[in-house]
Amino acid sequence: QSALTQPRSVSGSPGQSVTISCTGTSSDVGGYNYVSWYQQHPGTAPKVMIYDVSKRPSGVPDRFSGSKSGNTASLTISGLQAEDEADYYCCSYAGSYTWVFGGGTKLTVL
Amino acid sequence: EVQLVESGGGLVQTGGSLRLSCAASGFTFSVYWMHWVRQAPGKGLVWVSHINSDGTRTRYADSVKGRFTISRDNAQNTLYLQMSTLRAEDTAVYYCARDQGFQPLIWGQGIVVSVSS
Repeated sequence: QSALTQPRSVSGSPGQSVTISCTGTSSDVGGYNYVSWYQQHPGTAPKVMIYDVSKRPSGVPDRFSGSKSGNTASLTISGLQAEDEADYYCCSYAGSYTWVFGGGTKLTVL
Repeated sequence: EVQLVESGGGLVQTGGSLRLSCAASGFTFSVYWMHWVRQAPGKGLVWVSHINSDGTRTRYADSVKGRFTISRDNAQNTLYLQMSTLRAEDTAVYYCARDQGFQPLIWGQGIVVSVSS
């Protein structure tokens, strides 16, 4: 049950694009298409931004997109806006009805 | 409106016990798997436990196995987490979350648990 690996921080200027990676193993990220991404602002509950690797829930801007290659999933945010500044977490099903989260990435909008 | 509301948190001494509740509304609780996820102060999200729709299957993170018990009352639309032999490292905000397609997609607002000697 080792945490998925995410960069501790990323940054970008308004209007730019950033990508956050989430690296696991063939037993979690690489083995299932059950990868989700969450946005968390300080003091609030996580909000799902992407599920099933690349699907967006209703209400999430299409600036947010997800993908996966091998054991690494990625969240890309294009056209960065100030309100995108938050912590982002990935989560993957890890088999045998267990789940694992990434360590989290702090996104700073410069 | 789909809603999950946690309760039962608070301050407890090391070695003590606490039971968290998560009241569900706005959806048919009995057909959904559920999760507990926690977040220690200043740290990331950690999956804690899972239960299937009828309560016959449960799973736990290694860090809480043997100390925490997840359960549900579908007649009362409520999820529980019984926490025993609490340690300082169990201090966290605890979230309940509804599963959809093997992913915890709908979250409650969280409840604070503080374990202190």
